[in-house]
Amino acid sequence: DTGVSQDPRHKITKRGQNVTFRCDPISEHNRLYWYRQTLGQGPEFLTYFQNEAQLEKSRLLSDRFSAERPKGSFSTLEIQRTEQGDSAMYLCASSSLTSGTEKLFFGSGTQLSVL
Amino acid sequence: SQKIEQNSEALNIQEGKTATLTCNYTNYSPAYLQWYRQDPGRGPVFLLLIRENEKEKRKERLKVTFDTTLKQSLFHITASQPADSATYLCALDRTGSARQLTFGSGTQLTVLP
Repeated sequence: DTGVSQDPRHKITKRGQNVTFRCDPISEHNRLYWYRQTLGQGPEFLTYFQNEAQLEKSRLLSDRFSAERPKGSFSTLEIQRTEQGDSAMYLCASSSLTSGTEKLFFGSGTQLSVL
Repeated sequence: SQKIEQNSEALNIQEGKTATLTCNYTNYSPAYLQWYRQDPGRGPVFLLLIRENEKEKRKERLKVTFDTTLKQSLFHITASQPADSATYLCALDRTGSARQLTFGSGTQLTVLP
């Protein structure tokens, strides 16, 4: 168990550019989540995958955000035409109900700064 | 609208004392409630889960209570240590399936030596 891995750890981009983040969940976990966290706030749900199917998306998620999990393993989160308001920590988490609990295992996040 | 509130200010306590953190919620009927710890620059780490039919849960120096009538959970750290200094987040799940957790804004705890 190597934990949830996210790449990159930090990303600085200019407004209007596209960015893509990657998440590698714990290998046996079939559930994967993306959350966003701004300073002084708790994580905010963005989207959820079970295997390769994206089953839930936050109503707050604009059309500029898209997430994929093509083979039910790693996931990518893309933000198109970034805005300064997109600056935040993007957290990926995974879980598996087969372990009998609903706890999430989080990665260390990708800190995005949009200039 | 649904709301989760944690201690609004940072909490400072002396080493060895018991820290008590509060999580209040409105307009929710959660199936369970979770507590996480978050250190600066890191993702949250799961600590404890308590279900709606449980009153209290313990794990080592940690204790969580859940009062669905008061719509409140209390999180206690006994015999606190400087290493317990972190932000503590409560999270609610209405569905019981963990598909979409809602987090509070957290309480920053500092344990002074």
